[in-house]
Amino acid sequence: AQTVTQSQPEMSVQEAETVTLSCTYDTSESDYYLFWYKQPPSRQMILVIRQEAYKQQNATENRFSVNFQKAAKSFSLKISDSQLGDAAMYFCAYRSFSGSEKLVFGKGTKLTVNP
Amino acid sequence: NAGVTQTPKFQVLKTGQSMTLQCAQDMNHEYMSWYRQDPGMGLRLIHYSVGAGITDQGEVPNGYNVSRSTTEDFPLRLLSAAPSQTSVYFCASSHSDGGYTFGSGTRLTVV
Repeated sequence: AQTVTQSQPEMSVQEAETVTLSCTYDTSESDYYLFWYKQPPSRQMILVIRQEAYKQQNATENRFSVNFQKAAKSFSLKISDSQLGDAAMYFCAYRSFSGSEKLVFGKGTKLTVNP
Repeated sequence: NAGVTQTPKFQVLKTGQSMTLQCAQDMNHEYMSWYRQDPGMGLRLIHYSVGAGITDQGEVPNGYNVSRSTTEDFPLRLLSAAPSQTSVYFCASSHSDGGYTFGSGTRLTVV
């Protein structure tokens, strides 16, 4: 079974600076999807970024980018120019490429943005 | 475009009561799932469905029942509520090739 590990329960960053959230995963599959979800205090789960494992190019969405290291099974999220609105829980998640219904989540990292 | 709609947003139950959490999506997604979120535990899969008429158990299915009679709807039934089922519940849906879209969640308290 796949597992997802987020080793940083909490992180903090100064406004306008850059922060990186870590995620590692364990799988025997070669094709899969990886995601980062943001959960602000409103508790809504918001998809931030998605990466297909067969693509070598790292995904980017505006100020959010990932560092995907397939061999190391690592999938970190970099937030550039941090804003107060980035404060939230961030969850890393894994999904099999075969169409499996399951999203496997890490336990999350709470990000605080200091003004 | 409503996305995934969950009702109710909040609910308090007494131990032993039953209830149904409603979930509907209007994106014609094949896959639908129910998760529960507890502090320090992340999101755990309760039940899922890969299409109308097809459901299966996830990681924590005990005490919950589901059915999927249409593509759009995927209700979650609590058969006899217990305090251990106090949690935030999320319904989510997706196509086979992407991320899930989540509903806004239901905060359930069982007293």
